[in-house]
Amino acid sequence: AQKITQTQPGMFVQEKEAVTLDCTYDTSDPSYGLFWYKQPSSGEMIFLIYQGSYDQQNATEGRYSLNFQKARKSANLVISASQLGDSAMYFCAMRYAGGTSYGKLTFGQGTILTVHP
Amino acid sequence: DVKVTQSSRYLVKRTGEKVFLECVQDMDHENMFWYRQDPGLGLRLIYFSYDVKMKEKGDIPEGYSVSREKKERFSLILESASTNQTSMYLCASSLTGRRPYEQYFGPGTRLTVT
Repeated sequence: AQKITQTQPGMFVQEKEAVTLDCTYDTSDPSYGLFWYKQPSSGEMIFLIYQGSYDQQNATEGRYSLNFQKARKSANLVISASQLGDSAMYFCAMRYAGGTSYGKLTFGQGTILTVHP
Repeated sequence: DVKVTQSSRYLVKRTGEKVFLECVQDMDHENMFWYRQDPGLGLRLIYFSYDVKMKEKGDIPEGYSVSREKKERFSLILESASTNQTSMYLCASSLTGRRPYEQYFGPGTRLTVT
């Protein structure tokens, strides 16, 4: 079974500082993908970043980077230069294909990030 | 832009009622998903569909059924609503075989069963 664990229910950061949101995962499948989604208070889920299990380099998208440590089964999200608009719930998720073409996502419990001015 | 729409943002139903939640996507995606979101539990997959008329159970299918008669539409059905089905319901869609494989989500339906 696939499992995602986010151990930080809430995090606080000062505006313009960097913050790391933790995510660990468990799977026996060698082929998987890891996602981070942002959910503002309005409720929509916004895709932020993706890392494939065979990718050699850590994924980056603007101010977001994914610190992928395969041996430790961790996929932490790093947000640089935090902005007030980054205040939201953040979900880590793992895609497991299991030989199918469509894949399913397993989500973590989420971390609420609050950015202070 | 991919758009996933859900029929209602807020819904209040009585115990025992049959409830239909509708989801429509406009980008010809093969895959569609229904999740429920509860505090402290994240999103949990109820059912998904990878083709018209094809469906598979997710992690928590009990008390739910689904229907996909057309590619763009995926319906979640609560046969006899119960109070423990009060939750936020999110629909998503995705393309097959195209990295980064992200799922596009609708705005959610907050269902209250009284």
